[in-house]
Amino acid sequence: NAGVMQNPRHLVRRRGQEARLRCSPMKGHSHVYWYRQLPEEGLKFMVYLQKENIIDESGMPKERFSAEFPKEGPSILRIQQVVRGDSAAYFCASSPPMREMRAYEQYFGPGTRLTVT
Amino acid sequence: KNEVEQSPQNLTAQEGEFITINCSYSVGISALHWLQQHPGGGIVSLFMLSSGKKKHGRLIATINIQEKHSSLHITASHPRDSAVYICAVRDETSGSRLTFGEGTQLTVNP
Repeated sequence: NAGVMQNPRHLVRRRGQEARLRCSPMKGHSHVYWYRQLPEEGLKFMVYLQKENIIDESGMPKERFSAEFPKEGPSILRIQQVVRGDSAAYFCASSPPMREMRAYEQYFGPGTRLTVT
Repeated sequence: KNEVEQSPQNLTAQEGEFITINCSYSVGISALHWLQQHPGGGIVSLFMLSSGKKKHGRLIATINIQEKHSSLHITASHPRDSAVYICAVRDETSGSRLTFGEGTQLTVNP
């Protein structure tokens, strides 16, 4: 059973470009979380999604950031018109459906390191 | 004041020493996680607990719900244990998202 997959692992964008980060949850997992780790800072929650639904986006910046988790395919975190302050490691985690005993477990992907030049 | 406070921020030990990392939180929680982040940046979930104590190999995690405190212990520490250890809580009112401590950088010297 493959773990949580994220790609790309490293992404370099110039200021003003768009960044698309992908997360494929573990097989059978229907919940995805995105977290951001700024340089020299701790992890911060961004958004929590189920298939085709955003459940909690209280940690998302109000502008330029969006996330989706379509019925088919990976979850996408999109950052439009990137700025230098967006440079960070972005981690995705997934968890089983809530009906399962281990629903509170979160399994982390390897992260995408975004560098904005 | 952060919702999740860890101590110490940095810890250096000699191989074989017993290690304790502490985590205090200020909110009611439904679960607490201990995570390990290696120098390469990947994050591994070590424990999830809501009461009592869990043990896995040389790692032990305990939680005291009344005192809002958890500890992570490493017995017979080894240089490969060198990593950042992160405490994270699931607030009982905020659904499934995690709130993280700042992490404890552990270095174990041979």
